[in-house]
Amino acid sequence: DQQVKQNSPSLSVQEGRISILNCDYTNSMFDYFLWYKKYPAEGPTFLISISSIKDKNEDGRFTVFLNKSAKHLSLHIVPSQPGDSAVYFCAASVRGGADGLTFGKGTHLIIQP
Amino acid sequence: DTEVTQTPKHLVMGMTNKKSLKCEQHMGHRAMYWYKQKAKKPPELMFVYSYEKLSINESVPSRFSPECPNSSLLNLHLHALQPEDSALYLCASSRQLWGDVSYNEQFFGPGTRLTVL
Repeated sequence: DQQVKQNSPSLSVQEGRISILNCDYTNSMFDYFLWYKKYPAEGPTFLISISSIKDKNEDGRFTVFLNKSAKHLSLHIVPSQPGDSAVYFCAASVRGGADGLTFGKGTHLIIQP
Repeated sequence: DTEVTQTPKHLVMGMTNKKSLKCEQHMGHRAMYWYKQKAKKPPELMFVYSYEKLSINESVPSRFSPECPNSSLLNLHLHALQPEDSALYLCASSRQLWGDVSYNEQFFGPGTRLTVL
């Protein structure tokens, strides 16, 4: 039973354009959502997070949107850069992350020059 | 210092060996985590330590034994592992304020690539 779903295994975007990565969840107890970027053979790198009391959080080129009624969140990267090519994981947690994270399967983002 | 370090980077062990994985952070974080990641899969939570006490064990087999000697260190002792335990083992830490649901991102180490022969 997958509680966090990333339905696009891969996404190809032109450099300079906007990348939109999507994530859906089923557990209504989740109150904290995070996005991580991962290169092969490395640990995940924290990008941005959002708590369930907000619907948007922005940090530089990265913006996360949360739609609680639809149980959906998205990560927008604009403009996309070649260094953004990586696997992006959506993660969710109850109790603000204290009890560990539940990850989606990841989306491989490829930025084309 | 905003880093979580893990040693060793790579480990090959036989099914009868005993080995340990080590994780260290000096960010003053009071929660530490072990995750397991198989190839082309997401990380899966194994254990959570909160203020040096084991708070969550996600039904992990007893051949994996975690230990938190102090607030900066987290070990994972391995004994009699199976080939299917081969994976990337990730350690993470977060601030976690006791008795308060504050939103705390987890910071991950680079992982230990474990191969069980």
